[in-house]
Amino acid sequence: DGGITQSPKYLFRKEGQNVTLSCEQNLNHDAMYWYRQDPGQGLRLIYYSQIVNDFQKGDIAEGYSVSREKKESFPLTVTSAQKNPTAFYLCASSRGRDRRMDNEQFFGPGTRLTVL
Amino acid sequence: AQKVTQAQTEISVVEKEDVTLDCVYETRDTTYYLFWYKQPPSGELVFLIRRNSFDEQNEISGRYSWNFQKSTSSFNFTITASQVVDSAVYFCALSGMNTGFQKLVFGTGTRLLVSP
Repeated sequence: DGGITQSPKYLFRKEGQNVTLSCEQNLNHDAMYWYRQDPGQGLRLIYYSQIVNDFQKGDIAEGYSVSREKKESFPLTVTSAQKNPTAFYLCASSRGRDRRMDNEQFFGPGTRLTVL
Repeated sequence: AQKVTQAQTEISVVEKEDVTLDCVYETRDTTYYLFWYKQPPSGELVFLIRRNSFDEQNEISGRYSWNFQKSTSSFNFTITASQVVDSAVYFCALSGMNTGFQKLVFGTGTRLLVSP
C-alpha cells in the first residue's frame, strides 16, 4: 500500500535537545511538506521541498531544519532554538512539481512532540 | 495576502441532521484552488475535495456536497444525514498563483460533533 509514514507517533524530549522527526513516502511524489498544528489552530507550513536536494522555508521555519537527500524522505529536525516546540507535526506530499493539476496534498499520521 | 476563515469553531448535531460547514476565503489571484480536509481523532488529514476557481459547479459525493460561490468568496461543505463517524475537525484550504499552487493556506478548522 502506498502512503506516508511518520515515526514515532509520540516523542518526548528534554528542553534543549535537538530531535529529528521522520517522514517517508512511497507514492513517488516530487513535493513534500512539514506542518505544525497547535490546539485550536490550523496547520502552519514549516518547510517544503519540490525536488530532491532543494527546499524552501515556509511561514514558521525558525528553529527548524530539513534535508531532502532522497525523493522518499524528508526528515525534520526541531532544534533547541525553537522556543515552543511542543506541538503536533504533520508531513505531507503531493505529486506535482508546482504543477497546477497535481497539488492536492496527502498527509501522514503525524508525530506528537512533547518537550519536558 | 491569502486567507481562509472558518468562523464556526465547533458544531454539535444529532445523528441524521444535515450540517453545513462554512468557509470564506480571500485572495487576489484569478487562478486558485480550494480544498477540504477531514481530520478524525487519529490525527491524519484526509483529502476530501479540490476545486479550481474556474469551476463553480456544485459537487456531490454521497452524503457530501460542496457549494462554491465566487460572488461571496465562499466554499461551503454540507453533510447530509450526518453520522457519528463524521465527527472530526474539518479544514478548508486555499492555494493560488502568487504563493505557488503547491502551498496551502489553511483555515483554523471546524470541529463537528455528531451524537447518536
